[in-house]
Amino acid sequence: QKEVEQNSGPLSVPEGAIASLNCTYSDRGSQSFFWYRQYSGKSPELIMFIYSNGDKEDGRFTAQLNKASQYVSLLIRDSQPSDSATYLCAVEISNTGNQFYFGTGTSLTVIP
Amino acid sequence: DAGVIQSPRHEVTEMGQEVTLRCKPISGHDYLFWYRQTMMRGLELLIYFNNNVPIDDSGMPEDRFSAKMPNASFSTLKIQPSEPRDSAVYFCASSLGLPRPLHFGNGTRLTVT
Repeated sequence: QKEVEQNSGPLSVPEGAIASLNCTYSDRGSQSFFWYRQYSGKSPELIMFIYSNGDKEDGRFTAQLNKASQYVSLLIRDSQPSDSATYLCAVEISNTGNQFYFGTGTSLTVIP
Repeated sequence: DAGVIQSPRHEVTEMGQEVTLRCKPISGHDYLFWYRQTMMRGLELLIYFNNNVPIDDSGMPEDRFSAKMPNASFSTLKIQPSEPRDSAVYFCASSLGLPRPLHFGNGTRLTVT
């Protein structure tokens, strides 16, 4: 079983809609959770991180964490064509020596 | 802040040749990570350092891969001999403490023919 799993997509949403990206993780020792955006041919760039159960909002982005269900999600409100990218979920697991595990990413396309 | 700097951006080499990838982390960051990204396997952690000391190299595929960090501002990832299956994008990332977000370099696209 992979440590971090994401639906690879592709996910398509119309411009202005809400895009919902989901991620599950296997290790209950996971403590920190990160969302990265990666444009084609570019390096991953950090969007948000969350440590505690609940929601964390930053502009059009909201990260949601449910440790009991081992589930983290990213909502993008008012999606824009510039949001079209691959979104990577990353989990930091302290009991493995502070390793970061990445999901394989979800490809998002926002249709104008 | 210049960010994480990797070189070269692109490397094309023939099977059997030695390849050296270089990374300069963000000044002051004490963690440095080497990742490999392919379409099939996504981002895979190869090795990471804390204060120039290798902490976990369990992700290094085999003995052909080696990594060093001689000082706080420089790290290398070496593949000798290279094979076509090593073709991938190799990313270096650094962070200031853990758990903290990783800052990625622009990557090195390696093609082994």
